[in-house]
Amino acid sequence: ELKVEQNPLFLSMQEGKNYTIYCNYSTTSDRLYWYRQDPGKSLESLFVLLSNGAVKQEGRLMASLDTKARLSTLHITAAVHDLSATYFCAVVGGTGSNYQLIWGAGTKLIIKP
Amino acid sequence: KAGVTQTPRYLIKTRGQQVTLSCSPISGHRSVSWYQQTPGQGLQFLFEYFSETQRNKGNFPGRFSGRQFSNSRSEMNVSTLELGDSALYLCASSLAPSGGAETGELFFGEGSRLTVL
Repeated sequence: ELKVEQNPLFLSMQEGKNYTIYCNYSTTSDRLYWYRQDPGKSLESLFVLLSNGAVKQEGRLMASLDTKARLSTLHITAAVHDLSATYFCAVVGGTGSNYQLIWGAGTKLIIKP
Repeated sequence: KAGVTQTPRYLIKTRGQQVTLSCSPISGHRSVSWYQQTPGQGLQFLFEYFSETQRNKGNFPGRFSGRQFSNSRSEMNVSTLELGDSALYLCASSLAPSGGAETGELFFGEGSRLTVL
């Protein structure tokens, strides 16, 4: 059974600091997704990582994927208050035609001015 | 390009009642997935439809059902509501089903927040 673990689950940090969110998954998968959710809102797609060594960057966020280690990281550079949200990673798991996205528990990020 | 539209956005029901939620995907998207989000259980997969066929189903009781129409719009139904069914129900659309050759990137609607009293 595919399991996805995120850590930390809660992170409070000051503006201007750097930090990394980790996403570990238990079995092989060929794609990993990062999403953002603001309070009371829906999920917004941030990154789709499709291969080992994939690195994508958007503004102050950078995501990477190591399929051998079954690990993805979401790095935040010089955090700003607007990045406060809950961040989820998700991995495709399954066999045959029975695929589904398995989600991490989410990392609630609070960035203090 | 219009996004994923879910209706109703908010609803209150009592135990034992049933509810139907609707989802209109992004134009051209043929895959629709449904998720339940609660503070305790997080995001849990309900089911996925592609071209009017249910492809996958999560670990939910038979009270939870869904369907997809020829225009790719989807509905989910929950019968005999229980207090624990209170949640945010999210619909997501994508070009191709999960596990397919496409990236499978999901685009989510705003959700339907169900409260069961």
